Amino acid sequence: DIQMTQSPSSLSASVGDRVTITCRASQDISNYLGWYQQKPGKVPKLLIYAASTLQSGVPSRFSGSGSGTDFTLTISSLQPEDVATYYCQKYNSDPFTFGPGTKVDIK
Amino acid sequence: EVQLVESGGGLVQPGGSLRLSCAASGFTFITYAMNWVRQAPGQGLEWVSHINIGSSKLYYADSVRGRFTISRDNAKNSLYLQMNNLRVEDTAVYYCARALYRSGRHYIDQWGQGTLVTVSS
Repeated sequence: DIQMTQSPSSLSASVGDRVTITCRASQDISNYLGWYQQKPGKVPKLLIYAASTLQSGVPSRFSGSGSGTDFTLTISSLQPEDVATYYCQKYNSDPFTFGPGTKVDIK
Repeated sequence: EVQLVESGGGLVQPGGSLRLSCAASGFTFITYAMNWVRQAPGQGLEWVSHINIGSSKLYYADSVRGRFTISRDNAKNSLYLQMNNLRVEDTAVYYCARALYRSGRHYIDQWGQGTLVTVSS
């Protein structure tokens, strides 16, 4: 099975900082990757699908890139409401594995 | 408005069984694949199972294969997860999640609020 890893596992940044989270697949998954945001005590929310397509209603400070095995989620200007854990998920084929998550908080 | 409402969670002893349900509304259920995703307390998300529109393609995580069975009733706009031989490590919030079809694949675009399953003696 394809393994999904994320780095870093956690980060602390200041409001207005540019934040980048990396997701890596152990094999080529093309662009079949989604990014999800889960705020504390809340349900996960889709941010990006097809590696780089912003879900409707998601702020434009979020962006995704990558293809194949290496992917990034970028928050261009971190806001207090972005405190959350971010997960990537592959959906090219079963099993539809999630990454372990990256916890983002404000410094 | 899309709504996914899970039910059926609770406390069960190891080795026991439980059946989760998910009532869907606000969209044409029969045109979407569906998933179950779980989250153990304080842990990350774990994909559990997927079912396609016609119930002909069923996929499971290795951790639940042979013990859990996913099913759906399109006439009732409902998704189910039959969980047998439950283990302590199955303790988690179980989310019902809708999967949207794009470019030949399904990705999760909507989540329910979740139902808590606790396996303990």
